Amino acid sequence: DTGVSQDPRHKITKRGQNVTFRCDPISEHNRLYWYRQTLGQGPEFLTYFQNEAQLEKSRLLSDRFSAERPKGSFSTLEIQRTEQGDSAMYLCASSETSNLGLTQYFGPGTRLTVL
Amino acid sequence: AQKVTQAQTEISVVEKEDVTLDCVYETRDTTYYLFWYKQPPSGELVFLIRRNSFDEQNEISGRYSWNFQKSTSSFNFTITASQVVDSAVYFCALSEAGNSGYALNFGKGTSLLVTP
Repeated sequence: DTGVSQDPRHKITKRGQNVTFRCDPISEHNRLYWYRQTLGQGPEFLTYFQNEAQLEKSRLLSDRFSAERPKGSFSTLEIQRTEQGDSAMYLCASSETSNLGLTQYFGPGTRLTVL
Repeated sequence: AQKVTQAQTEISVVEKEDVTLDCVYETRDTTYYLFWYKQPPSGELVFLIRRNSFDEQNEISGRYSWNFQKSTSSFNFTITASQVVDSAVYFCALSEAGNSGYALNFGKGTSLLVTP
């Protein structure tokens, strides 16, 4: 299977702890996106990369959040000093850069619970 | 402002009924893309279809069909002869050429429950 993968699938942490999530996109996809989804809502854009460059960040991405894609392959999303409001599903998606490849394919998500 | 509106929060139908999920979008771009995704209870978003703003041709795929009308800014999704396996949350999304690398703006979703 060569779809988007995310790890871990579930994470429970205590308020104030740091957490890191990983996303492995489809191998030939240049673009990688992070979204956050809370209960009963649609996913909301957080940030995206084209290759290793982080090109845009949403205002939803506070200073406690940082994302990297060091070699243009996998990406990590770190949340420092977690708060209960950070509890959500964190979704990663990837796509090609050509006009024909604008469709984003999603991973299974990482569900974060902050106690 | 919400760019994608899915007015139906929940729909419940009996198996074999037809059901239409509504989606209304808002954009000033002349080039944009519309999507439907399915999110079953497992949580993973599954891509169903993409339409380009310059192609208003409707599409049918098996029991699924999509009606794209630029005049009313709508992109509705119809499931014919619904089945229990169609139970999921369905999201309509908009991607604009000038926005965040074509990041998706999602509606709030419509939860579809199909009962036997």
